[in-house]
Parts: sequence; C-alpha cells; structure tokens
Amino acid sequence: KAGVTQTPRYLIKTRGQQVTLSCSPISGHRSVSWYQQTPGQGLQFLFEYFSETQRNKGNFPGRFSGRQFSNSRSEMNVSTLELGDSALYLCASGGGGSTQETQYFGPGTRLLVL
Amino acid sequence: AQSVTQPDIHITVSEGASLELRCNYSYGATPYLFWYVQSPGQGLQLLLKYFSGDTLVQGIKGFEAEFKRSQSSFNLRKPSVHWSDAAEYFCAVGARATNKLIFGTGTLLAVQP
Repeated sequence: KAGVTQTPRYLIKTRGQQVTLSCSPISGHRSVSWYQQTPGQGLQFLFEYFSETQRNKGNFPGRFSGRQFSNSRSEMNVSTLELGDSALYLCASGGGGSTQETQYFGPGTRLLVL
Repeated sequence: AQSVTQPDIHITVSEGASLELRCNYSYGATPYLFWYVQSPGQGLQLLLKYFSGDTLVQGIKGFEAEFKRSQSSFNLRKPSVHWSDAAEYFCAVGARATNKLIFGTGTLLAVQP
C-alpha cells in the first residue's frame, strides 16, 4: 500500500498571502489529521477530519482551516500568512473510524513565509 | 489536561550501547501511548504503540517500551544502538474519544562510532 502523500513538499510564500496544502491518506483510511511542527512549539494538533466532517480542532486561529473530500483526500488552508506560520505541516492518516487508531504520517510540507 | 514530558532534550550514546529514552505522561484515564521517530527532513515513523494488555510492547527496528501506570511512564529501550538510529524521538499520548495526539518535545539521539 502506498503511504501518506503530501503536496507540495516545499513552499515559499510572503506575508499576507494564502496557501493550500494537500494530503492523500493511505488507501481505505478515512481519518486525516493535520499537525504543525516548529522548533519553538514542537508538534501541535491542528484538526482532524473523518468522513468529510471536522471531528476535532486544536487551538489555532481561524486563519487555519481544512476540508476533506469524499475520497478522503484533505486540504489545509492558511490565509493571511504570518512569519510565524513557517513550519513543517504534517498530515496523518488513520483507519476505519473508531476513535484513537494508529496514525501514519506523511513526509510533510515545509512552508517558509517571507 | 493531557501532557507528555520527555526530560532529555539530547542524548549521545556509543554504537552498540544500550538506550533508554524517558517519557512521562499526564492523563486522567488509561492512555493510548506511542513512540515515533523522525529523521532530518522527514515525517514521523511509528515505532510502537500501547493501547491495552501486555505492558511491554515490541516495535520495529528492535525497539521496545514498557508502560508503567504507577509511574505514568512509557520509556523506550533498545539493547544495542546502531548508527542509523540517530534521529529525533517523540513520545505521544492519545485520548479515547479522539484521534488527537499530544506530543512530547522530543529527544534528539546522537550515536558515536
């Protein structure tokens, strides 16, 4: 089975712009979670989607949003980018729907905001 | 509130030596516990997990971890470290009602030849 894929792998944006990141989960997985990783704050949970519905949300401002499509692929959007949004954004894929399953991570998208 | 503490930010061991990475968690009920490893520029790879049952769990790459409820710990061990084990290791706790993971700050492992 192919693993979790994330596109693009690298991205450079300027302050005020918006960005969309994409995540394709492992085939058959229905849960997709997003995490932000920075040197200062570590790994922080952004949100989780299951069957096109947001199931959980972390403590991030409304500039961070996401969605999930019927094929379980997910996108994350950050509007009005700030310098502090520079981070590695990781997507995690989980299985059949019961809560707390093993999650498998993608390689991440590294975002640099200038 | 749930939290995970990894007291060691950086550890250096010699190749062939044994390894123990510490992890303490705070959670009101029986937690789900995970260890992940991250190589530079990469995503997270699952090493092992504890959901219930036997408190000693075996993982990939020769790693194991022991859940000790009385000490709120889930330490990761390996009897003989290889140079390829150099990476950052993250302990995480999950709650029953959500797939959300709370991560520790990580332990960076260096391996000396």
